[in-house]
Amino acid sequence: RKEVEQDPGPFNVPEGATVAFNCTYSNSASQSFFWYRQDCRKEPKLLMSVYSSGNEDGRFTAQLNRASQYISLLIRDSKLSDSATYLCVVNAGFQKLVFGTGTRLLVSP
Amino acid sequence: DGGITQSPKYLFRKEGQNVTLSCEQNLNHDAMYWYRQDPGQGLRLIYYSQIVNDFQKGDIAEGYSVSREKKESFPLTVTSAQKNPTAFYLCASSMGQGAYEQYFGPGTRLTVT
Repeated sequence: RKEVEQDPGPFNVPEGATVAFNCTYSNSASQSFFWYRQDCRKEPKLLMSVYSSGNEDGRFTAQLNRASQYISLLIRDSKLSDSATYLCVVNAGFQKLVFGTGTRLLVSP
Repeated sequence: DGGITQSPKYLFRKEGQNVTLSCEQNLNHDAMYWYRQDPGQGLRLIYYSQIVNDFQKGDIAEGYSVSREKKESFPLTVTSAQKNPTAFYLCASSMGQGAYEQYFGPGTRLTVT
């Protein structure tokens, strides 16, 4: 089983739609979780950290489910500018972060 | 402006040549990392460093070397021993290692022919 698994997509949604991505992780000892956004041929940029209680930043909501070992990202009122690849990132013990291969989102007019 | 810089943005080399990629940060971060990204794949860790004059191999260190002589700088050398060097190379830094968010430079796209 991969350390971090994501549905590669693409998820095609119209502007204004709500879309959700899930990501599963294999290491039950993981303590830190993040979502990054990566535009085509650019570097990943931190979108949000995921806390145990879940957290919200504007249109974006992240949730953590430790029992089932997955994290989710919900995007409300999608904008054209949300089109990107969303990377799920989990720390693999103390040593490093493990990056998922990403879920591609395409928002159309 | 605080941030991470990588140079050059694009680099072309002939097979058999060593090449050094630059990474500098002014965020006062202790930890620095090098990743490589291939099309359709996730980021893979090459080397990381928690502190000056110390660094550890990541998952795919073969054919690469690094140095950490200054806190701000973590250059990566891609040697001729690296079998498939053509890739997008990303440098990152974080306050500490492991649990902290990592911040990335703009990357260097290396093409070896």
